[in-house]
Amino acid sequence: DAKTTQPNSMESNEEEPVHLPCNHSTISGTDYIHWYRQLPSQGPEYVIHGLTSNVNNRMASLAIAEDRKSSTLILHRATLRDAAVYYCILRDVGGAQKLVFGQGTRLTINP
Amino acid sequence: EPEVTQTPSHQVTQMGQEVILRCVPISNHLYFYWYRQILGQKVEFLVSFYNNEISEKSEIFDDQFSVERPDGSNFTLKIRSTKLEDSAMYFCASTRRPQSLNTEAFFGQGTRLTVV
Repeated sequence: DAKTTQPNSMESNEEEPVHLPCNHSTISGTDYIHWYRQLPSQGPEYVIHGLTSNVNNRMASLAIAEDRKSSTLILHRATLRDAAVYYCILRDVGGAQKLVFGQGTRLTINP
Repeated sequence: EPEVTQTPSHQVTQMGQEVILRCVPISNHLYFYWYRQILGQKVEFLVSFYNNEISEKSEIFDDQFSVERPDGSNFTLKIRSTKLEDSAMYFCASTRRPQSLNTEAFFGQGTRLTVV
């Protein structure tokens, strides 16, 4: 699976939008972009995934650059509960049966 | 909302002892996984399991590790002779379809294994 690059940490304020960037310049045409998060002392939790078009769900939005070399996870209105490590993971269709986690971005939310 | 359940939440064992970590995946899921996370480090894949067989395993998953689905609901990870370096958080996960089809994975809350 291709590599992703994320900032080690970010900080934001409660009730403000948060934009979490991910660079994946070596992405291939069949790589899906997945986001998971890990709240403190919990297992990873699926957030969202997409291929080319922007995606929205109840948790977040995923904005994918036109060249697909980067993407941004958007939390529209952060709460204290959104404080977590966020992982951007590329997955090839038909690829291995596993998720490959990097170090992710540790998001701190200030009250 | 359906969830993956892991027991125990914390297990302390002596070096050299066998441990079995238990998981109950989501009931209509067919694909099962174990991951581990050493304190302060990345989440690492151990093994995937489908149709009563291992479908993929990592280099970490050596002869000391085994997995089993002894009945229709449980999925277990056994470590035969624990070492200090096996101390970690172990996460079970399940998916309805194979991970290769980019499906959502559901993780349990984890079992913290401490080897002393």
